[in-house]
Amino acid sequence: GAVVSQHPSWVICKSGTSVKIECRSLDFQATTMFWYRQFPKQSLMLMATSNEGSKATYEQGVEKDKFLINHASLTLSTLTVTSAHPEDSSFYICSARDQGRNSPLHFGNGTRLTVT
Amino acid sequence: GESVGLHLPTLSVQEGDNSIINCAYSNSASDYFIWYKQESGKGPQFIIDIRSNMDKRQGQRVTVLLNKTVKHLSLQIAATQPGDSAVYFCAEIYAGNMLTFGGGTRLMVKP
Repeated sequence: GAVVSQHPSWVICKSGTSVKIECRSLDFQATTMFWYRQFPKQSLMLMATSNEGSKATYEQGVEKDKFLINHASLTLSTLTVTSAHPEDSSFYICSARDQGRNSPLHFGNGTRLTVT
Repeated sequence: GESVGLHLPTLSVQEGDNSIINCAYSNSASDYFIWYKQESGKGPQFIIDIRSNMDKRQGQRVTVLLNKTVKHLSLQIAATQPGDSAVYFCAEIYAGNMLTFGGGTRLMVKP
């Protein structure tokens, strides 16, 4: 089955530094990828929709300059948390969809970010 | 609509009993629906899907029911097992976009 690989699975960084998270579709091409944020015991919150070759679409309240998204190829999207602060600590999850219109979303296993 | 940051409701069932998890969706034009299971510390896993031209679909121990009249989706798990303990959430797809709704339900299986 389709696999989405997310890396790293966890990262600890100091306040003020930037962290890049990668999301790869391993056996299919993904024109669209999605980035989510999840707090403990809460649902996934959609942050942005990443479109290959174009700018990402951010959900209301998500700072695009804070969370930089790049989708340079059909198999890779990256999320960079810039100048991270402790309140950015969270579980970040990406998902990708096969190019067919009605196909399941496949999720990565998430990245646990801790900012100290 | 999309639920943001809500605390998850919990369904507690006895091992061996059947579980029913419900979801309401927002867009009557949505044509594809998916149920996902998320275990602690992991990303969501696909369980079962259903297209809008169907009202029921069965998988292994799971059944999804779709009621378009009231925009309601349910997931039935037969003979619930401890390994079914997780958070379950549904998604609707409309015109190529994906929405997450309902906020998810935490299923706890008591031995």
